[in-house]
Order: sequence, then C-alpha cells, then structure tokens
Amino acid sequence: DIQMTQSPSSLSASVGDRVTITCRASQNIVSYLNWYQQKPGEAPKFLIYAASSLQSGVPARFSGSESETDFTLTISSLQPEDFATYYCQQSYSAPYTFGQGTKIEIK
Amino acid sequence: QVQLVQSGAEVKKPGASVKVSCKASGYTFTRYGITWVRQAPGQGLEWMGWIRIYNGNTDYAQKFQGRITMTADTSTNTAYVEFRSLRSDDTAVYYCARGESNYAYLDYWGQGTLVTVSS
Repeated sequence: DIQMTQSPSSLSASVGDRVTITCRASQNIVSYLNWYQQKPGEAPKFLIYAASSLQSGVPARFSGSESETDFTLTISSLQPEDFATYYCQQSYSAPYTFGQGTKIEIK
Repeated sequence: QVQLVQSGAEVKKPGASVKVSCKASGYTFTRYGITWVRQAPGQGLEWMGWIRIYNGNTDYAQKFQGRITMTADTSTNTAYVEFRSLRSDDTAVYYCARGESNYAYLDYWGQGTLVTVSS
C-alpha cells in the first residue's frame, strides 16, 4: 500500500497567515493527489484534485502544488472558516490511502 | 443538486453484522463510483473500498477483505456496505462518497452513519 505522510500533524495560526501543509507519498503517484477539509462533526469537503486543480466553488486562497512525491496545500490568507483538519489522499493505486491529517488551530 | 443520504445510526453487539445504505440523487448514478470511508472517534479517515456502479466491480482495502461487501441497486440509486463479524474497534462513523471516474476523487459525501459496536 502507498503510505501518505502529512506534516505537521497540527499547527497554530492567526487569521491572515499564510499556511502550508505537506503530504509525502511513499512512491510515485504522478499527480493523483487530492485534498479535503473536515470540520468537527461534519463530513469532509473536497477541495483540490490532481494535486493542483481547485474544485468549483473553493476559494482561490487555497492552492496545491507538487514536486515529485511531495505535495503541498497552501492557504494564502487564513480565514476564520478555514480552521479545520485537512487530509491528503492518493488516488493512484488502491487502496486510496489518506494522510493522517493536519489540524489548523487558532493561535 | 447532488445528494448522498445515508441510513441512520446503528448499535450492534460484537460478532454481529451491519448494513449501511447510501441513497444518491441529482446525478446519473451509473457514471460514478461509490467509495466507503470510515472514521473512528478522534481519528483520521480510513479508505475501506469502492464499487464501480456501472459494472458492480469492487476494490476493498486488504484489512477489510472477507468482512465487507459493497453492492449497489441501480433501480433505486442506492449503494450498500455490509460489514460482518463486528468488533469494538469497528466503532466509527461510516461515510459514503461519490467517486469520480478518472482521478477517483471524492467530490460529494454522505452525512455519515455512526456504527457503535458494544456488548
């Protein structure tokens, strides 16, 4: 199985901060990398697919990038509604494993 | 609009089985897959498997092989996951999600079904 390692597991940030989350795949997954946001008590929300393609309706402050097996989710200016847990997922090879999550908390 | 509506919470004893449903609306059911993901209390997301609705083919995570069966009824646009030989560590919220055909991302999610396994 492909292992997805996210870092950090949590971070504290303020409104307006630029935040970056990294996800590393244990092998080449080409660009088959997706990002989700989850708030407590809610189902995950889909943000980005194919490493950098923004889902319709997702604010442009969210962006994704890739460098070989390293993938990055960036929030350019953190908003109050962005405090949540973020997960990466590879969809290159089943089982389509998730990272362990990164929780963004209010500083 | 696309909606996935799941069945209600379940309480089961260890060793029992549970069947969770996921009724889809607002799109052509056979053009997408349905993925099942679970989340234990306070834990992350765990991919369980998926079913390609158009042909019924399935992929299951190895750890669940032999204990789960995913099916779909195209006459009612409903997907199901049956989970057998339940253990206490199967207590989790179970989500269905629509799986896109090419990149297999999960763009719409059900509200989740809490399955509690307790004696």
